[in-house]
Amino acid sequence: GESVGLHLPTLSVQEGDNSIINCAYSNSASDYFIWYKQESGKGPQFIIDIRSNMDKRQGQRVTVLLNKTVKHLSLQIAATQPGDSAVYFCAENANAGNMLTFGGGTRLMVKP
Amino acid sequence: GAGVSQSPSNKVTEKGKDVELRCDPISGHTALYWYRQSLGQGLEFLIYFQGNSAPDKSGLPSDRFSAERTGGSVSTLTIQRTQQEDSAVYLCASSLVSGNIYGYTFGSGTRLTVV
Repeated sequence: GESVGLHLPTLSVQEGDNSIINCAYSNSASDYFIWYKQESGKGPQFIIDIRSNMDKRQGQRVTVLLNKTVKHLSLQIAATQPGDSAVYFCAENANAGNMLTFGGGTRLMVKP
Repeated sequence: GAGVSQSPSNKVTEKGKDVELRCDPISGHTALYWYRQSLGQGLEFLIYFQGNSAPDKSGLPSDRFSAERTGGSVSTLTIQRTQQEDSAVYLCASSLVSGNIYGYTFGSGTRLTVV
């Protein structure tokens, strides 16, 4: 389940289970969304993106779902592995502006 | 280069000293961004450069912070008279902006510790 950690919300899952990380965005004009993964001591890494003309996009073991009606974005990780333990950020862009706005992040902890 | 390069990777400085952090973006990326990340926190926007346009400095927390980008490539973030609250990881990112924005590519960051 989810719990509020010291600074970041934390999601703990068992190895092999599926993970769902959620993100709410506030700008209804946002039309481009990205998920980033940040491992300890490293910069955020691009995972997957989606444009607003889609509601689902799949990558390798990851799926991003976009619900524009409720301004909600989710990242699903299938068969979660210990290497997936990291902080995950969503980011949004509106109207081809040059800036991404980042969410606060969720820490994913995978228990062996 | 192949990725965004930041130096130094770690910096310990005494309170009151000035520091300079360097970022080498991906060749050809016109946009460059600086973010700050305090321990266990999200990303705080600092400054943004796009081509030859005036930078967006709206995120700089005080006038002790400044940044420049020379020749549309390398950028230096300078913090003057450092304070303990400046301790954080400073992340640089670059992106290709051509019509639509594409994702940022981040460097590994500079961990700044002010003692």
